[in-house]
Amino acid sequence: DAGVTQSPTHLIKTRGQQVTLRCSPKSGHDTVSWYQQALGQGPQFIFQYYEEEERQRGNFPDRFSGHQFPNYSSELNVNALLLGDSALYLCASSLVAGTGDTQYFGPGTRLTVL
Amino acid sequence: QKEVEQDPGPLSVPEGAIVSLNCTYSNSAFQYFMWYRQYSRKGPELLMYTYSSGNKEDGRFTAQVDKSSKYISLFIRDSQPSDSATYLCAMTLSGGYNKLIFGAGTRLAVHP
Repeated sequence: DAGVTQSPTHLIKTRGQQVTLRCSPKSGHDTVSWYQQALGQGPQFIFQYYEEEERQRGNFPDRFSGHQFPNYSSELNVNALLLGDSALYLCASSLVAGTGDTQYFGPGTRLTVL
Repeated sequence: QKEVEQDPGPLSVPEGAIVSLNCTYSNSAFQYFMWYRQYSRKGPELLMYTYSSGNKEDGRFTAQVDKSSKYISLFIRDSQPSDSATYLCAMTLSGGYNKLIFGAGTRLAVHP
């Protein structure tokens, strides 16, 4: 049973560029959430996708956008990159109709903005 | 004031010690409580998951939730060097889909 997978593992960009991160949820899961984790901090919620729609959004600017595909995989896009966007970006998947709200995380994509 | 407070440590203990990790929170509406373990430069791994108040035990790990005090704990018995990691508490509201609110994480080092 494959867990949550993310690509790429690492990414280096320069200020002003755009980046796309990808996530495949755990088998059987239909909901994908994205989190940003700065060094030494806990993950911060960016947004959540279910049925190809953004269902919830955290306190992040519109430069952060996403998409969910019919196979439940998801993309996170960040435009006009800032130095402060350097972080570990985590994808988590869950099953809306499942027991509680357990979310399982992928290994993350480490983004460095120079 | 943050919704979830967690002492960042670091916490250093000898192998075999009992470790106690704690979080406090301010939102009484939280219903689901989780502990994740995160090794350096890796994604968080779910350790324990508890609904509402009470205790839950899984091997060397015990999670406790006291909703009246807005306080959750994770106990690790017979700690091992492989337990050295950052431990994140997380919580969420009841419902079908809700964001997780995390603490800052506590760094734990278990030395032989």
